[in-house]
Amino acid sequence: GQSLEQPSEVTAVEGAIVQINCTYQTSGFYGLSWYQQHDGGAPTFLSYNALDGLEETGRFSSFLSRSDSYGYLLLQELQMKDSASYFCAVDSSYKLIFGSGTRLLVRP
Amino acid sequence: DSGVTQTPKHLITATGQRVTLRCSPRSGDLSVYWYQQSLDQGLQFLIHYYNGEERAKGNILERFSAQQFPDLHSELNLSSLELGDSALYFCASSASTGAPDGYTFGSGTRLTVV
Repeated sequence: GQSLEQPSEVTAVEGAIVQINCTYQTSGFYGLSWYQQHDGGAPTFLSYNALDGLEETGRFSSFLSRSDSYGYLLLQELQMKDSASYFCAVDSSYKLIFGSGTRLLVRP
Repeated sequence: DSGVTQTPKHLITATGQRVTLRCSPRSGDLSVYWYQQSLDQGLQFLIHYYNGEERAKGNILERFSAQQFPDLHSELNLSSLELGDSALYFCASSASTGAPDGYTFGSGTRLTVV
């Protein structure tokens, strides 16, 4: 079977750094993706890690450790507009399997 | 505008009925994916079509079916609807069959079964 675990909620202060962790168990694995979804909106693609290590895209970075079946999304210099749900997703044989999502609340 | 078009945006129907959700992928994308998102839940994978052929299937109910047409648009048919089918249904597209460049999601169809 396939399962992904991520915290249900995280709260942080504007300007701070927050890390959202994701652990996964899957029968097939090609990479780990991260998506952002604002309330009532469509998910939008943030990053994809196929290999171990850190990928940086502006204020967002994503990390993968294949041996530990673990990844995280790092958000720096948090802004109010970053308040949203963040989903990790495993790329597994012609489909993305999504976690249940982490709701991030950024406080002033 | 993501380039992925889903219609209708909202749908209210009664139990036992049948509905069809439509998706036009982003120009040039050959893959279409369907996902179901219930209230405050994650995205449940339903099915993936690539250039008209089914490539992967999730835990899609037998009451649900989908197809991708030669012009690459896709339809998701939901029949014998139950209250529990109320959800947001997203379509996404990608250029190939992989995910490295990300899926582009449409704005979704909100289905309410009463």
